[in-house]
Amino acid sequence: DQQVKQNSPSLSVQEGRISILNCDYTNSMFDYFLWYKKYPAEGPTFLISISSIKDKNEDGRFTVFLNKSAKHLSLHIVPSQPGDSAVYFCAASARGDKLIFGTGTRLQVFP
Amino acid sequence: KAGVTQTPRYLIKTRGQQVTLSCSPISGHRSVSWYQQTPGQGLQFLFEYFSETQRNKGNFPGRFSGRQFSNSRSEMNVSTLELGDSALYLCASSLASGANEKLFFGSGTQLSVL
Repeated sequence: DQQVKQNSPSLSVQEGRISILNCDYTNSMFDYFLWYKKYPAEGPTFLISISSIKDKNEDGRFTVFLNKSAKHLSLHIVPSQPGDSAVYFCAASARGDKLIFGTGTRLQVFP
Repeated sequence: KAGVTQTPRYLIKTRGQQVTLSCSPISGHRSVSWYQQTPGQGLQFLFEYFSETQRNKGNFPGRFSGRQFSNSRSEMNVSTLELGDSALYLCASSLASGANEKLFFGSGTQLSVL
């Protein structure tokens, strides 16, 4: 049972445009959400997080939105850059329990 | 500050063999978690160790085991390897235990079971 779902395995966006990566979850007990980015041959690196008491968190070009009623999380990257091309994983946890990761979305930013 | 180090980087084994993977966390980090990454399955949590104690365990069979040493280094062992165990095994360390702690991942060990 996949509690964290990333239904789009890949996304292609032109440089300078907005990239929107989506994530859905099923466990209403999740209260902390994170995004990790992974380049080939490297481990994932932390990108941005959000607590369930917020509905938005921004860090530079990256903004995460949380819609608790829809159990939906999204990551916006504006403007997208070629260096953003990577696999993005969303993850969630309930009350500090283990992180549950999604299956990942491969983002390709082309010139 | 050195990052999380995983050895070996690549490993080829045959069915039925056993394998041990090693992880050295960032200096000062006391929590080590292990994940399995396979295409289409994302990162599946294996287990977490903190101060030499297993704090949490994922839904993997008993063939998968781990341990943590007093210097926080961790090893993961898989016995009686199966073809489906072929995956990238990632180790992550954090200062303390708990999912709200930022995880720092190593580059992983790519295991191929033939």
